[in-house]
Amino acid sequence: KQEVTQIPAALSVPEGENLVLNCSFTDSAIYNLQWFRQDPGKGLTSLLLIQSSQREQTSGRLNASLDKSSGRSTLYIAASQPGDSATYLCAVRNNNAGNMLTFGGGTRLMVKP
Amino acid sequence: DTGVSQDPRHKITKRGQNVTFRCDPISEHNRLYWYRQTLGQGPEFLTYFQNEAQLEKSRLLSDRFSAERPKGSFSTLEIQRTEQGDSAMYLCASSLIAQETQYFGPGTRLLVL
Repeated sequence: KQEVTQIPAALSVPEGENLVLNCSFTDSAIYNLQWFRQDPGKGLTSLLLIQSSQREQTSGRLNASLDKSSGRSTLYIAASQPGDSATYLCAVRNNNAGNMLTFGGGTRLMVKP
Repeated sequence: DTGVSQDPRHKITKRGQNVTFRCDPISEHNRLYWYRQTLGQGPEFLTYFQNEAQLEKSRLLSDRFSAERPKGSFSTLEIQRTEQGDSAMYLCASSLIAQETQYFGPGTRLLVL
């Protein structure tokens, strides 16, 4: 059974810092991995999707990397802003699990002005 | 297109009552997913439809839960004989077959007293 873990569970940084969020998964037979953002009490917004054959994806100040063999992904946020404050979730889709996504518990990020 | 919508946004009910939630996916999205999220945790997959066919069901979906998508458009999730442990955010997402990204709605927050 796939298990997804995110570390740290919470993070507080001053504005302008570069930061890294970590995601690890136990079963490397994944189809793809996605990073989502969730604001309090709201739904999820997809940030980046990395196919299993890819090593990284970039969108603006966000860069996500994938090391499938070691079961790890990182989300790098450059020059953080208070508007980046949210919970960041990673989710994997396994090769043998249809379209089901398995989520980590999330990292709650607070960027202080 | 206004995105995935869910109704109601909040529901308070007494233990033992039945509740029904509705999800309207992005138009022409043929895949629809239901997830459950408890406080401080990542979403957990419940079930998934392709058009009107329910193709996957999680073991979390006990026999008190039933989901339908009668015409391949909107979907309903019914919980019968609610229990306090059913209190959670119920999230709906939709996608196109040719697209990996799932687009999430704002969720329905259920509180069972």
